[in-house]
Amino acid sequence: GAGVSQTPSNKVTEKGKYVELRCDPISGHTALYWYRQSLGQGPEFLIYFQGTGAADDSGLPNDRFFAVRPEGSVSTLKIQRTERGDSAVYLCASSQRGPGETQYFGPGTRLLVL
Amino acid sequence: AQKITQTQPGMFVQEKEAVTLDCTYDTSDQSYGLFWYKQPSSGEMIFLIYQGSYDEQNATEGRYSLNFQKARKSANLVISASQLGDSAMYFCAMREYEAGTALIFGKGTTLSVSS
Repeated sequence: GAGVSQTPSNKVTEKGKYVELRCDPISGHTALYWYRQSLGQGPEFLIYFQGTGAADDSGLPNDRFFAVRPEGSVSTLKIQRTERGDSAVYLCASSQRGPGETQYFGPGTRLLVL
Repeated sequence: AQKITQTQPGMFVQEKEAVTLDCTYDTSDQSYGLFWYKQPSSGEMIFLIYQGSYDEQNATEGRYSLNFQKARKSANLVISASQLGDSAMYFCAMREYEAGTALIFGKGTTLSVSS
C-alpha cells in the first residue's frame, strides 16, 4: 500500500514569510508525528497527533510553529514569520494506533529560508 | 546528557562482509523500545528493526540483527553480507514508554560499502 507522503518535497521561502507543509499518513493510521532534521543531526520530535487532537506538542520550538489535523488524516505543519534557523528537513511519520508501535516516515520536505 | 549515542560518524566495509554499528542509550524507564532506521541519500527514513526492553531474544530481520545488551545499555546493529545498496546513514532511536511519545534519535552513522 501507499506509504506516508509529504508535499512539497522542497520549499524555498524568504525570511518572514509563512509556509505550510502537508503530510498524508498511511491509510488507517491514527497516530501522526512531525519531526525536524537539521543538517548532520538525527530527527527531533515536534508534535504528535492521536486522531484529530494534538496529544503531545512539547517539541514545538516556539509559537511560530503550529500544526493541525482537522479530519484525523492529513496534517499541515504551519510556520509563521519564518527565520533562517527554520531551514531543515521536516519529516512526518505515522503509526497504526499510537507511539508504542513502529513509526513509518515520509520522504520529508526540505525547507530553505533565505 | 545524550539519550542516544552513536560514536561512529563513519564506517567503511567491503561488499559481503559483516559490519556492526554501535549504539548506546541512557534511560531510567523500565519499559522502552529501541529502533534502527536507514536513511539513504533520498532522505526517507526506512524502518529496519525493533527491540523491546523486555524481549529476551535479540531481534533479527533478514540480514539485520540487533545485538541487545541491556546491562551495558547497548543496542548495536549488525548487518551481515553487506551490499552496495546498504550505503546510507543509519540512526538508532529510542522510545521511552513511561516518559513520552517521541522517538529520540542519535546523530547517526554513515555507512559506505565498497565493491
